[in-house]
Amino acid sequence: DADVTQTPRNRITKTGKRIMLECSQTKGHDRMYWYRQDPGLGLRLIYYSFDVKDINKGEISDGYSVSRQAQAKFSLSLESAIPNQTALYFCATSDKASGRHYEQYFGPGTRLTVT
Amino acid sequence: GESVGLHLPTLSVQEGDNSIINCAYSNSASDYFIWYKQESGKGPQFIIDIRSNMDKRQGQRVTVLLNKTVKHLSLQIAATQPGDSAVYFCAERGTGFQKLVFGTGTRLLVSP
Repeated sequence: DADVTQTPRNRITKTGKRIMLECSQTKGHDRMYWYRQDPGLGLRLIYYSFDVKDINKGEISDGYSVSRQAQAKFSLSLESAIPNQTALYFCATSDKASGRHYEQYFGPGTRLTVT
Repeated sequence: GESVGLHLPTLSVQEGDNSIINCAYSNSASDYFIWYKQESGKGPQFIIDIRSNMDKRQGQRVTVLLNKTVKHLSLQIAATQPGDSAVYFCAERGTGFQKLVFGTGTRLLVSP
């Protein structure tokens, strides 16, 4: 969905490096999420943000941090990347005002490889 | 394209057949259930949802059935087309929680 963009789309980095994944949205949604996807494990929630000042840990937040720079921007950082953080990362948004905040809109994903 | 699930259960059907994808959920207190479709190289896309006080909901070519007694959810796709080939995820939202829990997914392969 072009309304939710992620950069970079692919990244290879070395163990111990700091890396940031960025997400931007033009949907005007207040809620944003970061997920990782691993084979056989589905999507797992890393962090979520209900507005700029409301950031919450998901089920697998260890080793990650986030920043909600503006309503439209939500970035995910790996302070010191390790190989088991190799995965597909997805950003998603939803709109509380619609009453359907469980209907999430996903970006195209970032393939991260940590060597 | 991306490989999103090397170890996923797979359902293979012929074009024109009806497909049924199943999902077992864990939280009896969940109030919404949602199906997402993920095509190769793309993020998941919302298909249809059902509220816990319903047992059936229909969309365009898709029907979702909810059986709360056995905590089971299914997605039926009528007249399956090659464009339906994708990984399908169910998700549940627990009451009081503002986030979703996703299942592991099922790969649907449609052959001509």
